[in-house]
Amino acid sequence: QQQVKQSPQSLIVQKGGISIINCAYENTAFDYFPWYQQFPGKGPALLIAIRPDVSEKKEGRFTISFNKSAKQFSLHIMDSQPGDSATYFCAASINQGGKLIFGQGTELSVKP
Amino acid sequence: ETGVTQSPTHLIKTRGQQVTLRCSSQSGHNTVSWYQQALGQGPQFIFQYYREEENGRGNFPPRFSGLQFPNYSSELNVNALELDDSALYLCASSDRGYGYTFGSGTRLTVV
Repeated sequence: QQQVKQSPQSLIVQKGGISIINCAYENTAFDYFPWYQQFPGKGPALLIAIRPDVSEKKEGRFTISFNKSAKQFSLHIMDSQPGDSATYFCAASINQGGKLIFGQGTELSVKP
Repeated sequence: ETGVTQSPTHLIKTRGQQVTLRCSSQSGHNTVSWYQQALGQGPQFIFQYYREEENGRGNFPPRFSGLQFPNYSSELNVNALELDDSALYLCASSDRGYGYTFGSGTRLTVV
């Protein structure tokens, strides 16, 4: 019940395309859902986060869509760029300061 | 100084040895968490400290222990190292109620 399942494991997108990564969770006590971006040799960096009281949050080219009834959330990267090539992790926690449960990660490659 | 700083960046240890990893929290952050990230996996929660007290622990054995100091810096200690302990160890700090800032990690290799 503590798991967060993430798909796909890897994703190849052409420059300018839309990248979509999906996550699903079981624990309805989760109330904070962040997405992290990780480059090789670096720690995860917070990209964008959402709480379950909203269905969508947009920051620049990054959008989180949240479906509370389906217990699913997704990250959309619009106009994907080669510099977006990284590993993306979804996560969930019970409150913003609680332990983060991470998905397995998606390795995104944006081809020029 | 801003950001989370971890040391050392890389470390090689022999099975059975002990290791101490260090973390300097982002200024003003009173909560620190440690995560283990195996190659190709998502980070897994080890434990969290809030104002020098352990405030939550993941599914890791007691040979994984930690400390948080009055200046909110932190240590992760691992005794009796096993080959499976080889991983990237991440420290993350937060001002309770806000999101985490991660360091770049310590890459531990156990041989």
